[in-house]
Amino acid sequence: ELKVEQNPLFLSMQEGKNYTIYCNYSTTSDRLYWYRQDPGKSLESLFVLLSNGAVKQEGRLMASLDTKARLSTLHITAAVHDLSATYFCAVEEYNNNDMRFGAGTRLTVKP
Amino acid sequence: GAVVSQHPSRVICKSGTSVKIECRSLDFQATTMFWYRQFPKQSLMLMATSNEGSKATYEQGVEKDKFLINHASLTLSTLTVTSAHPEDSSFYICSARDRLDGGNEQFFGPGTRLTVL
Repeated sequence: ELKVEQNPLFLSMQEGKNYTIYCNYSTTSDRLYWYRQDPGKSLESLFVLLSNGAVKQEGRLMASLDTKARLSTLHITAAVHDLSATYFCAVEEYNNNDMRFGAGTRLTVKP
Repeated sequence: GAVVSQHPSRVICKSGTSVKIECRSLDFQATTMFWYRQFPKQSLMLMATSNEGSKATYEQGVEKDKFLINHASLTLSTLTVTSAHPEDSSFYICSARDRLDGGNEQFFGPGTRLTVL
């Protein structure tokens, strides 16, 4: 069964600092997603990573995928308060429709 | 494009009643829709996969007789929580996959918050 592990689960950052969230998964996959969730809201799609070595950037967030290591990272550059939210990675198992979510990383950016 | 709606957004009901939640793809056709449940401060857990015109596939531990899923058309799937109890209180989120989208990305609805008294 596909397992997805995220760390850290909680992250408190100062504004202006950099940090990385890690997402490991257990079986072969070529589709990895990053989502943002604000309290009481549904998911907002951030990145879709479809191949080994894929790197995508949007504003202060950059995501990468290493399918050989079964690892994706979400890097935060010069954090601002507006980035405070819970971030989830999700993985689709190869040849399977199902998507499995990591536990989520609750990010708090302090002034 | 790729908008998914859910109705209602919030529902409060008494224990023992049934509640129906609708999930619609507004601007695309979805042969596959997914139902997730999220408890407070937890991740999303897949409950079932709903395929248009066929029976839903339920995840292990999800009671199919309690959570009835109907995917009657390419734009609508419904989840009925039968004889709801307080432990069924949760945030229910659906997603849909565009039939014509080769990328297979799932598009998520805004969620339905169910509170069972």
